[in-house]
Amino acid sequence: DAKTTQPNSMESNEEEPVHLPCNHSTISGTDYIHWYRQLPSQGPEYVIHGLTSNVNNRMASLAIAEDRKSSTLILHRATLRDAAVYYCIPFKRSNSGYALNFGKGTSLLVTP
Amino acid sequence: GAVVSQHPSRVICKSGTSVKIECRSLDFQATTMFWYRQFPKKSLMLMATSNEGSKATYEQGVEKDKFLINHASLTLSTLTVTSAHPEDSSFYICSARSGQDTQYFGPGTRLTVL
Repeated sequence: DAKTTQPNSMESNEEEPVHLPCNHSTISGTDYIHWYRQLPSQGPEYVIHGLTSNVNNRMASLAIAEDRKSSTLILHRATLRDAAVYYCIPFKRSNSGYALNFGKGTSLLVTP
Repeated sequence: GAVVSQHPSRVICKSGTSVKIECRSLDFQATTMFWYRQFPKKSLMLMATSNEGSKATYEQGVEKDKFLINHASLTLSTLTVTSAHPEDSSFYICSARSGQDTQYFGPGTRLTVL
């Protein structure tokens, strides 16, 4: 599995954009980059994923470096409900039963 | 997105008893489900991969005779913690794949063994 490096924690003010970085320099060419988040005392929640191109959905945007060795999850306007641990996970697309390998993630604190 | 439920959401039991946790995919069929365990302030650790109609595959260090997994249908997997002890107290989370890339997670079950 590709190794990932994320900041242990980040802090943001409410309604400001947040850029959560992830380094995955050993990622293989077929690994997608998935982002999940986990709110306190809940199961993880899918946020977004991509392969090479930048991706947008209603929750966030994902900016992927051209060399794919890093990516950034962008929350355009942080809310208090976005306070969670965010996990960046390289994941090989496959029909077989691959589980997600969770690292330590980044704990995001959002202050009013 | 797809919904995965877990029951119960929390359970407190005495040491030596067995506890069953259910994981259901409510609006899709899941040929593969996963069971994770999370200790306080730690990340999720995969315990086992559960495939419908076959034996589960356990991660190294996870006792298959202690953590019994049954995946009898495409929408239900169960985890039974047998002869639970205080060190088994943890947050147990299941997930399911719908055949696409995304995994959907249950809300978790908080197990406390006294």
